[in-house]
Parts: sequence; C-alpha cells; structure tokens
Amino acid sequence: DTEVTQTPKHLVMGMTNKKSLKCEQHMGHRAMYWYKQKAKKPPELMFVYSYEKLSINESVPSRFSPECPNSSLLNLHLHALQPEDSALYLCASRRGRGANVLTFGAGSRLTVL
Amino acid sequence: QQQVKQSPQSLIVQKGGIPIINCAYENTAFDYFPWYQQFPGKGPALLIAIRPDVSEKKEGRFTISFNKSAKQFSLHIMDSQPGDSATYFCAAHSNGFSGGYNKLIFGAGTRLAVHP
Repeated sequence: DTEVTQTPKHLVMGMTNKKSLKCEQHMGHRAMYWYKQKAKKPPELMFVYSYEKLSINESVPSRFSPECPNSSLLNLHLHALQPEDSALYLCASRRGRGANVLTFGAGSRLTVL
Repeated sequence: QQQVKQSPQSLIVQKGGIPIINCAYENTAFDYFPWYQQFPGKGPALLIAIRPDVSEKKEGRFTISFNKSAKQFSLHIMDSQPGDSATYFCAAHSNGFSGGYNKLIFGAGTRLAVHP
C-alpha cells in the first residue's frame, strides 16, 4: 500500500461550522504534512508532524487545528473558517529521518460559504 | 534565500516536442531537488529528483539537468505527449535551516499543454 488517503474529497461548510479533514497512510511513514493549495499556485506548507509530534507550524491561524492521533493518521480540525480559506488541502507523508521524498494524497477540496 | 524561481509560467508545445522548464535557487544548503507533476483535481506526484552532486538524471522520457555553480536546474520532457499536459512544480529540499526541518519549498509551477 503506497497511498495517502484523504477524506472527504469535497467539503462545503459555513463560517460557523466545525468540520475535520482526515488523512491516513499505511506505509510506515513517520512524518506527515498538511499543505494548502490555492488555484494555480504551489502548495503552501501549514504543519509538519514528525514521529507524532508537531515540529513545524507555519504561523497558521488557530482556526486550523492539526492532530496526529497515531503514526498512520493525521487530522485537520476546522472551525470558524473564512471564505478565503477555500482551497485544496493536501496531506503528505515521508518515511522518516534521512528520507526526502514526499508522497501526497489527492487532497480535500474545501469550500467555505 | 528560501525561494525557488520557476519559469515559464505556462508552456504550449506540439506532440513530440521537447518542453523545457527552468528553476533557480539561492540557498546552497538545499540538498535535494525533486520535480512534481500535478493533474487537475489530484495531488502532486513525484516525477523525478536529483541531488546536487549529479549533473544529469534520466528516467524514461524525463531528464533533469543540474548546474550547481549556476544554482539552476531544468526538466526536459522528450517526445512529449498530450497525456503529459499537467502542472509541473520544481522544488528544493531544506534540512534544518531557518528553524525548519525537512521542508520542501516549491517553485510557482508551470502549466504545460501538449497539443496533438
């Protein structure tokens, strides 16, 4: 199994809703990432978990809350989002120390009304 | 210093042509340079990658040329096909500088269209 699986594929939410994005990998990778990608732009790094600990937070607003319950799962909790937060949210994973290759999921397309 | 500059922004070629996408970087601490291919509605997928101690790498129809002294690298797609139409991102991997850890810094992307 060489996939990163993201659910849901599409999500529409209002500004007062609370929702979550989920990411799962069973490759034994020990680093997991959240990226945000706007149309016609490159992915922008949001968070990095390394060995289940948050190692990088790229000054992301607190309305985005990441969680890594175990080495295979990564969640992104969403609350009080703004319409400008509408984007493709990508999860990625990397094997661990000394490994450079990121494997990306297909993304969750988020629309905030 | 952390930027990767990519050009052109978009590129149109005929089937069989050889599109070339160029990237440049400043930080000599980058230690790995991958190219990702992204189709609409999909996540980026690793296409080919190179380390700075190698000047060229070929995988199938895809070739990376790397010029360490000029701090530039490029992707060449031989015998391009309509199925190669996608957005291509160059990237540079950094390991530990500026408080980061294993960060992948992307170029702005090149939208390639290969016409039949």
